[in-house]
Amino acid sequence: NAGVTQTPKFRILKIGQSMTLQCTQDMNHNYMYWYRQDPGMGLKLIYYSVGAGITDKGEVPNGYNVSRSTTEDFPLRLELAAPSQTSVYFCASSSQGDSPLHFGNGTRLTVT
Amino acid sequence: QKEVEQDPGPLSVPEGAIVSLNCTYSNSAFQYFMWYRQYSRKGPELLMYTYSSGNKEDGRFTAQVDKSSKYISLFIRDSQPSDSATYLCAMKAGGFKTIFGAGTRLFVKA
Repeated sequence: NAGVTQTPKFRILKIGQSMTLQCTQDMNHNYMYWYRQDPGMGLKLIYYSVGAGITDKGEVPNGYNVSRSTTEDFPLRLELAAPSQTSVYFCASSSQGDSPLHFGNGTRLTVT
Repeated sequence: QKEVEQDPGPLSVPEGAIVSLNCTYSNSAFQYFMWYRQYSRKGPELLMYTYSSGNKEDGRFTAQVDKSSKYISLFIRDSQPSDSATYLCAMKAGGFKTIFGAGTRLFVKA
């Protein structure tokens, strides 16, 4: 079991560029999440999904988009990257809504 | 006021010490409580998961929840250098939304 796999591990973007952060899980979990982690700020929820075809906004969705066409994959799209999006992004999954989260190892993104 | 407060540390202890990590919260609806450990440049991994009040023990780790005081703790006995990491508390009222503390950095010196 690989668990939750995120790619790439690192990326540097110029302001205004776009990119997709990939996330896949092999645990057949229905719930998937995207968080960003900034120093001293904890983990903030960007988007979440309760199953294929269903997504919804979290606390900090502006500047991001998601899709969920399969149970396994939950990509996060950044359009028109801004320096404020410099962060570490974590994808997570859970079997049910009140189950604990399983995290990937993150994507470190720098926007300059 | 943040929903979950956690002292960021850093906390530095000698090997073999008992470590106490704590979080306070304001939402009395929280009923699921978790502790995650996060090593540098890695994702958080679940250490402890408890429901409602009381204690839960797993090896050298003990989680305590005091809902009347809105206070949770994680104790690490016989701390090891390999315990050096950031520890995140997290909690849920029910449903999918998890609220995380900012994390406490722990250093265990050999």
